[in-house]
Amino acid sequence: DVKVTQSSRYLVKRTGEKVFLECVQDMDHENMFWYRQDPGLGLRLIYFSYDVKMKEKGDIPEGYSVSREKKERFSLILESASTNQTSMYLCASSFIGVKPLHFGNGTRLTVT
Amino acid sequence: ELKVEQNPLFLSMQEGKNYTIYCNYSTTSDRLYWYRQDPGKSLESLFVLLSNGAVKQEGRLMASLDTKARLSTLHITAAVHDLSATYFCAVDRGGGGADGLTFGKGTHLIIQP
Repeated sequence: DVKVTQSSRYLVKRTGEKVFLECVQDMDHENMFWYRQDPGLGLRLIYFSYDVKMKEKGDIPEGYSVSREKKERFSLILESASTNQTSMYLCASSFIGVKPLHFGNGTRLTVT
Repeated sequence: ELKVEQNPLFLSMQEGKNYTIYCNYSTTSDRLYWYRQDPGKSLESLFVLLSNGAVKQEGRLMASLDTKARLSTLHITAAVHDLSATYFCAVDRGGGGADGLTFGKGTHLIIQP
């Protein structure tokens, strides 16, 4: 069974802090994704990566960056957290061209 | 810009009834995905529809795809309480499968005894 593991279930950070959200998958998937989920807005794609050291902007990349140094690990970085980044963050992975996406359990981030 | 629209966004129904959730999308994609999310949990894949006319069934849920109409439906037959959840449809963003999915806003389904 595919396992996508997000390092934290809940995080509370202060405005202006640098925040790292970590995601690891164990199925050798090429693709990895970061989404955020907000009530009434559904899931929105922040960034994705189809290979090590490759990254592409999704629909809402502003205020975020990512890092993929190893195939199994994809990190989302909030350079200077703001209150409007309070959200549920979901990591997902898949093989190229083969779906569905496999999701982690999510990290609920609160920025105060 | 790719748009994926679900309706209804909220549905309260009684056990034993039938209902359909609709998913319209604006691209020419021939792939569509349905997911389920329980409260406080992550998304679980339900169906992958890969061509026009595709139909998939699992228990009381049946999904279909009409790529010409850019419409997918998720039909619930004789609903039971355990099917209460939020259901999302999603479509390929493009890029040969590497670009991820665009999701609808979700249909929050409550099934009451």
